[in-house]
Amino acid sequence: GAVVSQHPSWVICKSGTSVKIECRSLDFQATTMFWYRQFPKQSLMLMATSNEGSKATYEQGVEKDKFLINHASLTLSTLTVTSAHPEDSSFYICSASRTGEAAEQYFGPGTRLTVT
Amino acid sequence: RKEVEQDPGPFNVPEGATVAFNCTYSNSASQSFFWYRQDCRKEPKLLMSVYSSGNEDGRFTAQLNRASQYISLLIRDSKLSDSATYLCVVRDSNYQLIWGAGTKLIIKP
Repeated sequence: GAVVSQHPSWVICKSGTSVKIECRSLDFQATTMFWYRQFPKQSLMLMATSNEGSKATYEQGVEKDKFLINHASLTLSTLTVTSAHPEDSSFYICSASRTGEAAEQYFGPGTRLTVT
Repeated sequence: RKEVEQDPGPFNVPEGATVAFNCTYSNSASQSFFWYRQDCRKEPKLLMSVYSSGNEDGRFTAQLNRASQYISLLIRDSKLSDSATYLCVVRDSNYQLIWGAGTKLIIKP
């Protein structure tokens, strides 16, 4: 159990367009979902934490109007990168936990975004 | 100073050898500690939690030194499949996971 999927696996988009990434918990209900970003040879950086049915909590320095997060159900969270720029090119990884922030996080396979 | 620091490597090690790497963390109030493994272009996968008394899982041994604020991972009888980046992760008092940048390990035949 505890499988998390992400879609798409990779995406290439043009500068100025928006891209939506989906994160699904396939066999459990995820009370909390997390969105991370990882640049090459760097650590995972938490972008935001979202609880089902409430607004996401963004980390300092992450623009909430640029990275729109929706956690509408216990099995689905989406991250939309709006007006993407080449510097948004990165590896975006979601994780989900069953019972809140203190619980073990199960990671999705990641989405590689390239903005040209 | 980074909250979680690791030597980026790479560590080039012959198959069958024993290799160890350390990680230091800055927040003395950190609650829990983990080692994750990340293969190239993949998501991180939990390798093992690290307990104060030290713990072992097969060929892997993890140690925690709270006084000196460092964590170690020892891999015995290394296999080619152990080649990966090993991420040190610390959970802070707000339950947030703080990630090191990883140590790259390359096992050579």
